[in-house]
Amino acid sequence: GDSVTQMEGPVTLSEEAFLTINCTYTATGYPSLFWYVQYPGEGLQLLLKATKADDKGSNKGFEATYRKETTSFHLEKGSVQVSDSAVYFCALRISSGGSYIPTFGRGTSLIVHP
Amino acid sequence: EPEVTQTPSHQVTQMGQEVILRCVPISNHLYFYWYRQILGQKVEFLVSFYNNEISEKSEIFDDQFSVERPDGSNFTLKIRSTKLEDSAMYFCASSESVGRTGELFFGEGSRLTVL
Repeated sequence: GDSVTQMEGPVTLSEEAFLTINCTYTATGYPSLFWYVQYPGEGLQLLLKATKADDKGSNKGFEATYRKETTSFHLEKGSVQVSDSAVYFCALRISSGGSYIPTFGRGTSLIVHP
Repeated sequence: EPEVTQTPSHQVTQMGQEVILRCVPISNHLYFYWYRQILGQKVEFLVSFYNNEISEKSEIFDDQFSVERPDGSNFTLKIRSTKLEDSAMYFCASSESVGRTGELFFGEGSRLTVL
């Protein structure tokens, strides 16, 4: 079935370091791809999305490019801040027999130290 | 800003007891979902709900589970006889649309601990 695989966490970085969180997907069709973020004590919220191949989603300095050839949607940020400490979830949404139920990964915890 | 709210934030229960988790979706949303995440594992889809009935459910959503929208605002998940393996974080979500590109809005989650 359709699935998302994220790199294991936690990812621990110093402030201003470069961030990459890997996400690859398996899908029988043509999905939309999403990154959600969960800050401590809050619900998951959409960070960015891309709906077709080669699209780049971006928000709050984060970027991810939909790579159909490598079935990937890696999340990147050039310079992380302590406030970026959170859990990041990669997700896909695809029509499967008329259903568009979103499928999520396990989440990757990011810890940023001052 | 409208948000999805969930109660309780944490519930501890004995195995075999019934549990009801409550959610108030965003008021103009039409589609509602429950997901769960067992510690360290994926966020798993349980059930979706539209127009006062279940639209889809996963294999996890067996006869022990039920959902209900008892009034115009609440959306509940009931586990009839809890098992140890039901211990997880349960997330409620809602959305305006059901299409391929749509965003889900999540609550903070309800942590269920079954002893």
